[in-house]
Amino acid sequence: NAGVTQTPKFQVLKTGQSMTLQCAQDMNHEYMSWYRQDPGMGLRLIHYSVGAGITDQGEVPNGYNVSRSTTEDFPLRLLSAAPSQTSVYFCASRSSTDTQYFGPGTRLTVL
Amino acid sequence: AQSVTQPDIHITVSEGASLELRCNYSYGATPYLFWYVQSPGQGLQLLLKYFSGDTLVQGIKGFEAEFKRSQSSFNLRKPSVHWSDAAEYFCAVGAGAGKSTFGDGTTLTVKP
Repeated sequence: NAGVTQTPKFQVLKTGQSMTLQCAQDMNHEYMSWYRQDPGMGLRLIHYSVGAGITDQGEVPNGYNVSRSTTEDFPLRLLSAAPSQTSVYFCASRSSTDTQYFGPGTRLTVL
Repeated sequence: AQSVTQPDIHITVSEGASLELRCNYSYGATPYLFWYVQSPGQGLQLLLKYFSGDTLVQGIKGFEAEFKRSQSSFNLRKPSVHWSDAAEYFCAVGAGAGKSTFGDGTTLTVKP
């Protein structure tokens, strides 16, 4: 099992550009989540999904969109990047009775 | 709403000394509690978790944590710290459905 994979590992954007952060898991987990981590802070929940076709907002959803067309994939879209979205983004998956497993992260810089 | 407080931003201990990292939580029901470790530039790795049952839980790398409902605490301990334990440690409370609330983390430095 590869676990949770994220691409790209690093990305630099200009303000106003859009992009999609990819996340995939091969553990057949129902639940998937996106977090952002900023210096000196813990992880904050952006969006999460409880299964294919079902998504909901977390603590800091503004400026991000998600979709969940398959169990395996949970992409995060930045519609119009802003410097405030410079952060490290982590995707995680969790089964209904298990713990969250995190991907290696995507380090995003918005200029 | 659930919340997690890690009172210590930074802790320094000598190699071989004991370690205790504090975590306090706020949650309306019986919580799922977790400790994760993050090395620089890496993702988070689960150290241990508490769902129910025995309040003293054992984890990987020689770590343990004790759930104390009366104190709303879930402190992480290790009897003898190794230099490789230097990292950032996060406590989290889970509300199910992949929604966890994390503390701000405690950075552990290990002196030789």
